[in-house]
Amino acid sequence: RKEVEQDPGPFNVPEGATVAFNCTYSNSASQSFFWYRQDCRKEPKLLMSVYSSGNEDGRFTAQLNRASQYISLLIRDSKLSDSATYLCVVVQGGSEKLVFGKGTKLTVNP
Amino acid sequence: DAEITQSPRHKITETGRQVTLACHQTWNHNNMFWYRQDLGHGLRLIHYSYGVQDTNKGEVSDGYSVSRSNTEDLPLTLESAASSQTSVYFCASSEQQGNGYTFGSGTRLTVV
Repeated sequence: RKEVEQDPGPFNVPEGATVAFNCTYSNSASQSFFWYRQDCRKEPKLLMSVYSSGNEDGRFTAQLNRASQYISLLIRDSKLSDSATYLCVVVQGGSEKLVFGKGTKLTVNP
Repeated sequence: DAEITQSPRHKITETGRQVTLACHQTWNHNNMFWYRQDLGHGLRLIHYSYGVQDTNKGEVSDGYSVSRSNTEDLPLTLESAASSQTSVYFCASSEQQGNGYTFGSGTRLTVV
């Protein structure tokens, strides 16, 4: 089983839609989790951290289920500018190393 | 403002040549990392460092080396470039676990 697995996508949604991305991780010792966003031919940028209690930042909501080793990202009211690849990221248990999922590409259409 | 910079942005080199990619950060972060990104593989860790004089191998370290003589720099050296090392290389730094990484803007390397 890969350490971090994501929906392969791609997702094509109309503006205003709600879209959800899922991610599972295999190392139960992992303690920190993130969602990164990567635009075409650019570096990944931190979108948000993921906490056990769930957290929200505007239109974005991230949730963590430790028992199921599952992370999600919900985007409400999608904008054209949300088009990007979303990377699920897990800090490898006992280290400072980030392990990246392969990413899910989102295209928001007018 | 603090930043992390990579150079060059683009490089074309020949098979067998030694190549060094630079990474410089002014965040004063202890942790620095090198990743490569290829279609179908996502980001894969090459080498990393938790501080001066500390270096460690990642999952795809063969053919690469790093050195950490100061806090700011972690140069990545390809000892003898191969076509399989054509890729986009990202450097990143972090202060501590839980804060995520800050990435440089990447180096696109082509080995011909």
